[in-house]
Amino acid sequence: GEDVEQSLFLSVREGDSSVINCTYTDSSSTYLYWYKQEPGAGLQLLTYIFSNMDMKQDQRLTVLLNKKDKHLSLRIADTQTGDSAIYFCAESLGGKLIFGQGTELSVKP
Amino acid sequence: GAVVSQHPSWVICKSGTSVKIECRSLDFQATTMFWYRQFPKQSLMLMATSNEGSKATYEQGVEKDKFLINHASLTLSTLTVTSAHPEDSSFYICSASWEGAFQGETQYFGPGTRLLVL
Repeated sequence: GEDVEQSLFLSVREGDSSVINCTYTDSSSTYLYWYKQEPGAGLQLLTYIFSNMDMKQDQRLTVLLNKKDKHLSLRIADTQTGDSAIYFCAESLGGKLIFGQGTELSVKP
Repeated sequence: GAVVSQHPSWVICKSGTSVKIECRSLDFQATTMFWYRQFPKQSLMLMATSNEGSKATYEQGVEKDKFLINHASLTLSTLTVTSAHPEDSSFYICSASWEGAFQGETQYFGPGTRLLVL
């Protein structure tokens, strides 16, 4: 089945690391994505990881993939107030994206 | 690169009128475009997938005659909400992808169109 789950809220202090978690159910996904949505805006592609990778790092972002547990995480180092947004994970299946519910990240100064 | 635009960014219309939303890929040719609907504080719901020059494929529960999709060129897709009613008020987002992109089926999203039907 197709189901992607995320926790709904995360609150951190500026300068701390944020870790947003995601679980998915379909092991045949080839790519997994993280998108960021600011209020009233579309989705911005942050990063993606191919299913045969365990980790990908891109500046302040680190993606970890545990394919055995079907668990994906996004770590944001040195979180800033500008990182406050909703973060969606998504898995790619048959040409479509299956999205999680989104995690609202709140960064407090 | 991979910029997608939408027009208009917001629209207010009277009940019973039709509204057309445009989605354009500005710097690439989009073989596939997607239309999503998003309710406040919720995730994106895929409405339909369209490939250039062919009929759109609608998701279950989405009315084809209500939401008309045209993908006439590799850079433009349109969504027309026909005879709009207040329950059609929502945030509509399009995305685009292209075949052969090394990152697989990555979709690039437009900024969204907020529709309010009075």
